[in-house]
Amino acid sequence: DAKTTQPTSMDCAEGRAANLPCNHSTISGNEYVYWYRQIHSQGPQYIIHGLKNNETNEMASLIITEDRKSSTLILPHATLRDTAVYYCIVTAMDSSYKLIFGSGTRLLVRP
Amino acid sequence: NAGVMQNPRHLVRRRGQEARLRCSPMKGHSHVYWYRQLPEEGLKFMVYLQKENIIDESGMPKERFSAEFPKEGPSILRIQQVVRGDSAAYFCASSPEGLALDTQYFGPGTRLTVL
Repeated sequence: DAKTTQPTSMDCAEGRAANLPCNHSTISGNEYVYWYRQIHSQGPQYIIHGLKNNETNEMASLIITEDRKSSTLILPHATLRDTAVYYCIVTAMDSSYKLIFGSGTRLLVRP
Repeated sequence: NAGVMQNPRHLVRRRGQEARLRCSPMKGHSHVYWYRQLPEEGLKFMVYLQKENIIDESGMPKERFSAEFPKEGPSILRIQQVVRGDSAAYFCASSPEGLALDTQYFGPGTRLTVL
C-alpha cells in the first residue's frame, strides 16, 4: 500500500473550516483514499473516501488533486467535538478491508 | 440499531494468564476485523473473519493469538499466556458484506492491561 504523510498536529477555531492535508505521492491507479478519525479513547469512525473525483457527504468534503498525489479533508464548520486524530489511508480495492493506520493528524478545535 | 459491541471494555491480566476479548458485530453484519493499537500508535490490522472462516490473519502474531467467529455468538480474540507487551487497546470492526470498499464500523475497544 502507498505510504501517506500527514502533519502531526493542527488547530483551528470553532466554526471555521478545518483543512487537513495528506500526501500520497506513490499512490497507484487502483488505490482509494480513505479518511477515518479517532476521538479520544473511542474506536475509529469512517468519514469519507474517494478515488479521483471530489467527494462530499454530511460530515466532510474530500478534495483529491488531479495527479492524485495529495488530498485534503475539509470539515466546513469545525466544532469542539471534531477534536480528534484524523487518519488518511490509501488502500487498493482488493485489500481495502486491511486498513493501515499511520500516525494521523491530531486536530484541536479551539473555542 | 446497536453498534459494534465489545466486552469487556477494560481487562486486567497477570503475565501468563489468558485474555478473551469479545466482539458482537452490528446487526446484519457477517464480517469482523480485529485491530490492535499500542500506546501512542495507530491501529494495526490483525485478522479478518467471516462466520466460521478466517479470511486473512496476516497481522496476527504467530504464537499465543487466535481468533474465531462462530456461527452463533460473538467473535472472540484469544491471547494465551499474556505478556506485558500485549498491553494495548484492541478494536473490533464489522461490515455488512465484506465487499471491496465496505465501510468498517468500529466498536469502543477493549483495553488490556497486563501486570
